[in-house]
Amino acid sequence: AQTVTQSQPEMSVQEAETVTLSCTYDTSESNYYLFWYKQPPSRQMILVIRQEAYKQQNATENRFSVNFQKAAKSFSLKISDSQLGDTAMYFCAFDLQGGSEKLVFGKGMKLTVNP
Amino acid sequence: EADIYQTPRYLVIGTGKKITLECSQTMGHDKMYWYQQDPGMELHLIHYSYGVNSTEKGDLSSESTVSRIRTEHFPLTLESARPSHTSQYLCASEGSSGNTIYFGEGSWLTVV
Repeated sequence: AQTVTQSQPEMSVQEAETVTLSCTYDTSESNYYLFWYKQPPSRQMILVIRQEAYKQQNATENRFSVNFQKAAKSFSLKISDSQLGDTAMYFCAFDLQGGSEKLVFGKGMKLTVNP
Repeated sequence: EADIYQTPRYLVIGTGKKITLECSQTMGHDKMYWYQQDPGMELHLIHYSYGVNSTEKGDLSSESTVSRIRTEHFPLTLESARPSHTSQYLCASEGSSGNTIYFGEGSWLTVV
């Protein structure tokens, strides 16, 4: 069975700083997807970024980028130039190819961006 | 934001009551999901559907039931609510093009 571990339950950062959220996972599969989801307080959970395991290049979406280390089974999220709107719960998730019914979430990490 | 809606957003009900959490999406997605999320915890899949008349149980056992009579609608029902059902329920949907799911805002259920 696949597992996703987010070891930091909570972090805070000052506005405009850079912060890195860690995530490790365990699987014996070689083809899979990794995701970071953001859940702002009382709002919809939205996809921040996704990474296909077969791609060596790290995914980037504007201020968000990942450091994907397949051999180490590590998938960290870097947020550059943090903004107040980045305050949210962040969930790392793992999905085998073939369907999101196999999506496995980590326990999440609460990020607070302070002014 | 995604076009997926959940009602009610917040509900407090007494033990033994029957409740239905509504979920609708206007994106024409075939796949839909229900997750249960306790505060500060990860999401657990309780039900999913591949399309009309398709319903499957997820990894987490749940006393709730679902139906999928229309593509856009995936309601979740608890016949007799108990305090152990107190949680947040998240509905999600996914198109046929890939592994990206879209979530509703969630329904917070408190059973007293």
